[in-house]
Amino acid sequence: EAQVTQNPRYLITVTGKKLTVTCSQNMNHEYMSWYRQDPGLGLRQIYYSMNVEVTDKGDVPEGYKVSRKEKRNFPLILESPSPNQTSLYFCASSLLGRRTGEGPNYGYTFGSGTRLTVV
Amino acid sequence: ELKVEQNPLFLSMQEGKNYTIYCNYSTTSDRLYWYRQDPGKSLESLFVLLSNGAVKQEGRLMASLDTKARLSTLHITAAVHDLSATYFCAVVIQGAQKLVFGQGTRLTINP
Repeated sequence: EAQVTQNPRYLITVTGKKLTVTCSQNMNHEYMSWYRQDPGLGLRQIYYSMNVEVTDKGDVPEGYKVSRKEKRNFPLILESPSPNQTSLYFCASSLLGRRTGEGPNYGYTFGSGTRLTVV
Repeated sequence: ELKVEQNPLFLSMQEGKNYTIYCNYSTTSDRLYWYRQDPGKSLESLFVLLSNGAVKQEGRLMASLDTKARLSTLHITAAVHDLSATYFCAVVIQGAQKLVFGQGTRLTINP
């Protein structure tokens, strides 16, 4: 099944303890992106990657790191989490370019989400 | 910078009624998506609109796009409780890949 897999689904951690949220896709998508979702703010982009070893900042990158060593994986790293990073996180992937049609080869596929609480 | 604004942010309606959610965006767009999100769940793609005048319908939901006005609408016909969810529009900047989201509209349909 074509999908984006995020782990873990839920995580409670303490301030300052490094953590990694994993994201993996099996659709050979070039583009991958991380979003955080907060009430009233919609989804905001944290980082994105256009392909292996190509990453760039989104709108809210402070306090986050990413890497793209393999095409399928795009982990989100919080080196020193703080309470203001408590949020719902989504990973998404897509093929590059403007494509029409339905299904995982078109549009953006989202992971199930990771609910992170930093205390 | 592309900004996407939805209106209203909260909508409570009775079953059987019709209503419209509006999505305005600030710069030229390549394509526009509508998503549905149930509480605690991921985003489910509803529609992708690619060109001016595009209209798509699925069941009681119909989405349209006016690129000149930079406006998309999601119309709900004869609402039923199962349509209760949060709806997001999201826009891709022309020539780019980034998906920019509106704030979301939380729709509650009461029996």
